[in-house]
Amino acid sequence: GQQVMQIPQYQHVQEGEDFTTYCNSSTTLSNIQWYKQRPGGHPVFLIQLVKSGEVKKQKRLTFQFGEAKKNSSLHITATQTTDVGTYFCAAQGYSGAGSYQLTFGKGTKLSVIP
Amino acid sequence: DTAVSQTPKYLVTQMGNDKSIKCEQNLGHDTMYWYKQDSKKFLKIMFSYNNKELIINETVPNRFSPKSPDKAHLNLHINSLELGDSAVYFCASSQTRDTGELFFGEGSRLTVL
Repeated sequence: GQQVMQIPQYQHVQEGEDFTTYCNSSTTLSNIQWYKQRPGGHPVFLIQLVKSGEVKKQKRLTFQFGEAKKNSSLHITATQTTDVGTYFCAAQGYSGAGSYQLTFGKGTKLSVIP
Repeated sequence: DTAVSQTPKYLVTQMGNDKSIKCEQNLGHDTMYWYKQDSKKFLKIMFSYNNKELIINETVPNRFSPKSPDKAHLNLHINSLELGDSAVYFCASSQTRDTGELFFGEGSRLTVL
């Protein structure tokens, strides 16, 4: 079955430092999604990447999808305390019989020290 | 109006009891899901329904029984609760079974004593 590795599991940064989380799949993906979960909250969709080599930006957040469509990264420039939370990748791959399965990574918990 | 709403938000109960969690979405989506998030924050899919039809049924004890009376509702009933069932249960929906972007409910925190 499809396996998704996400690293690191935890990251503590000083406010203003950059942060990156990585996601790797054992199989070629249809697309990859990123979600953010604030402490005590629910996962909220951030973005979906579909094309090989795709790069998308949302203000200080940069999302990349690898050329082979097996890996992805989320980079935050100059972190702020509002960036605190757990970031999940969710990889969508073909699971057979005409259907696709979404598999979540284990998440990276970001702490920002003011 | 909340897009995906689930009730109750909190449940505290004794081992061996039975409990239900209800979920409703007003987005007109075809597909609904139940996810379990344990204390380590891992999100695991439990079930998925597409237009009231069960399409994903992961390795979950048969004490867990989902029911979808219509495509806007997906309920979860748990029999004979165990300590290991303590977790946050999230309901989610997506436009179709193969469409990205899951919309999550706020979660139901279940504590089994």
